[in-house]
Amino acid sequence: RKEVEQDPGPFNVPEGATVAFNCTYSNSASQSFFWYRQDCRKEPKLLMSVYSSGNEDGRFTAQLNRASQYISLLIRDSKLSDSATYLCVVNNPGGGADGLTFGKGTHLIIQP
Amino acid sequence: SAVISQKPSRDICQRGTSLTIQCQVDSQVTMMFWYRQQPGQSLTLIATANQGSEATYESGFVIDKFPISRPNLTFSTLTVSNMSPEDSSIYLCSVLGGAYGYTFGSGTRLTVV
Repeated sequence: RKEVEQDPGPFNVPEGATVAFNCTYSNSASQSFFWYRQDCRKEPKLLMSVYSSGNEDGRFTAQLNRASQYISLLIRDSKLSDSATYLCVVNNPGGGADGLTFGKGTHLIIQP
Repeated sequence: SAVISQKPSRDICQRGTSLTIQCQVDSQVTMMFWYRQQPGQSLTLIATANQGSEATYESGFVIDKFPISRPNLTFSTLTVSNMSPEDSSIYLCSVLGGAYGYTFGSGTRLTVV
């Protein structure tokens, strides 16, 4: 199984700051990319899909660089409620959940 | 997106016993997936549960240890058999929710003593 590598955490960031997470994947044939958010003792929930052209959802911006096999997530004007673990998820050829590879997650702590 | 009801939410079990985890989905889905998340680790797929056929297990997971049932398109169970402390983990079921990506159940936090 190919790997997904994420920035090590935890990230301690003051409220209102901008924070960026990086993720690299090793399978150049990977097809779909996601960022999931997992709160402590909760299940992962989809934050946003990542498209080749990059996409934005409010304070969140995701970028994909296929040449470098690199995904990023940018959070602007961070809120206390953004504190969570952010999982980079890649869907490999063949599709379906048997192609999903999860990163170990980046732990974000927003400090007041 | 699909709504999944997973239970139990947590349990503490004696080694050598078995625990069955249930997931109920509010819509019909072709495939349901079972994951394990060990402390401080990422999610690892255990198996894919298909209605009407045998589950497909990932490398390192076997049917004798993790038998799965899928009696219909809205329900599945995962049993953790002959448990040992190494089986202490969070177990999650998941379905593909179309444009919403994969939706997860709330998880079962298992502690084996």
